Amino acid sequence: TQLLEQSPQFLSIQEGENLTVYCNSSSVFSSLQWYRQEPGEGPVLLVTVVTGGEVKKLKRLTFQFGDARKDSSLHITAAQPGDTGLYLCAASGTYKYIFGTGTRLKVLA
Amino acid sequence: GAVVSQHPSWVICKSGTSVKIECRSLDFQATTMFWYRQFPKQSLMLMATSNEGSKATYEQGVEKDKFLINHASLTLSTLTVTSAHPEDSSFYICSASTTGPEQYFGPGTRLTVT
Repeated sequence: TQLLEQSPQFLSIQEGENLTVYCNSSSVFSSLQWYRQEPGEGPVLLVTVVTGGEVKKLKRLTFQFGDARKDSSLHITAAQPGDTGLYLCAASGTYKYIFGTGTRLKVLA
Repeated sequence: GAVVSQHPSWVICKSGTSVKIECRSLDFQATTMFWYRQFPKQSLMLMATSNEGSKATYEQGVEKDKFLINHASLTLSTLTVTSAHPEDSSFYICSASTTGPEQYFGPGTRLTVT
């Protein structure tokens, strides 16, 4: 069974702090996506990473795809209350699209 | 671009009745549409995958006779929860994809069965 394990599960930090969320698997993926979901809404696509070692930046968010394309990380610099939400990684598995276990982030003002 | 709408955004129904949820891709044609269920503070659970004009493929443990999916066109899929019961209360989210792996999600529908 292909799994995407995210860590940490929960994170509560103060505004201005930095944080990193990890998405790990034993499987190799051709690409990986990160989404953010706010309460009561559907997930919103943040980024797709395709190449091993690839780094993409989206304002204060930095996404990296592992060299072996088995894992990914999301780093947020100087977190703001607006970054609060559920962060999900996802990837196309052998037979279906799978989502990570999720990281719930709360940024306190 | 890649906007997906869902209707209704929330619905309350009585036990035993059926509820239909619509999912539309507004500015693109969706090769595939997906239906998810999400429990509080948890990740998404895939219920079924549907392609236009074909029967939906249901995930293990999802009752196809209870959760009827119709994918009538490249821009519309519907999920009907038949004979709803309180345990069917949940947040249902649809998504749509084209040729790439990315999925574009609707805003979700909160179903409460009383």
